[in-house]
Amino acid sequence: QAYLVQSGADVKKPGASVQVSCKASGYTFTTSYIHWVRQAPGQGPQWMGMINPRDGSTFYAQKFQGRVIMTRDPSTTTVNMELIGLISEDTAVYYCATTVYSSSWTTLDVWGKGTTVTVSS
Amino acid sequence: QSALTQPPSASGSPGQSVTISCTGTSSDVGGYNYVSWYQQHPGKAPKLMIYEVTKRPSGVPDRFSGSKSGNTASLTVSGLQAEDEADYYCTSYAGSNNLVFGGGTYLTVL
Repeated sequence: QAYLVQSGADVKKPGASVQVSCKASGYTFTTSYIHWVRQAPGQGPQWMGMINPRDGSTFYAQKFQGRVIMTRDPSTTTVNMELIGLISEDTAVYYCATTVYSSSWTTLDVWGKGTTVTVSS
Repeated sequence: QSALTQPPSASGSPGQSVTISCTGTSSDVGGYNYVSWYQQHPGKAPKLMIYEVTKRPSGVPDRFSGSKSGNTASLTVSGLQAEDEADYYCTSYAGSNNLVFGGGTYLTVL
């Protein structure tokens, strides 16, 4: 069974950076994009971008370009998402998600449990 | 990319059917057959319910079905049950390796 296990909650000050990790298991790490999706309190999810674990290529949503960096480590089957220049509006639950059982990367059929990031002075 | 448009709320009584819409443009919903629907209960991660407009993952009850006409996709839940009460979000491929979410619909089972 495929799993994505995320790092724990974090609290950061405005202007700082945060890194959230996502460890994949139960499937072949290099065959599926891993996506990052965030959800601010009381709001709908927002797609941030995705990384190809095979070659490290990334595609970021326009809103986050210049502020998000996604990296991967095939040796530990882990993907990291770093968000820089944090503001209070970045307070959200951050999810990683991937495609394991479907054929299109647009289908997110395995999700991590989410990581709460709080930005507060 | 702008978020897809969903009604903020929908409701139905147990056993009834309810349909939730997801409206985009010809650059996303109308241009590709890559619409998915997710169910989210409070404090939980989203769960895939429908993908590629009409397909249902293993384990999802056949009470859930999807369709699309033009720039609008729809999720229909038949035979409503109490456990169907949740937020529902649509997504669509939006070209150029982009994915866009809808604003969400909260389904109340009366």
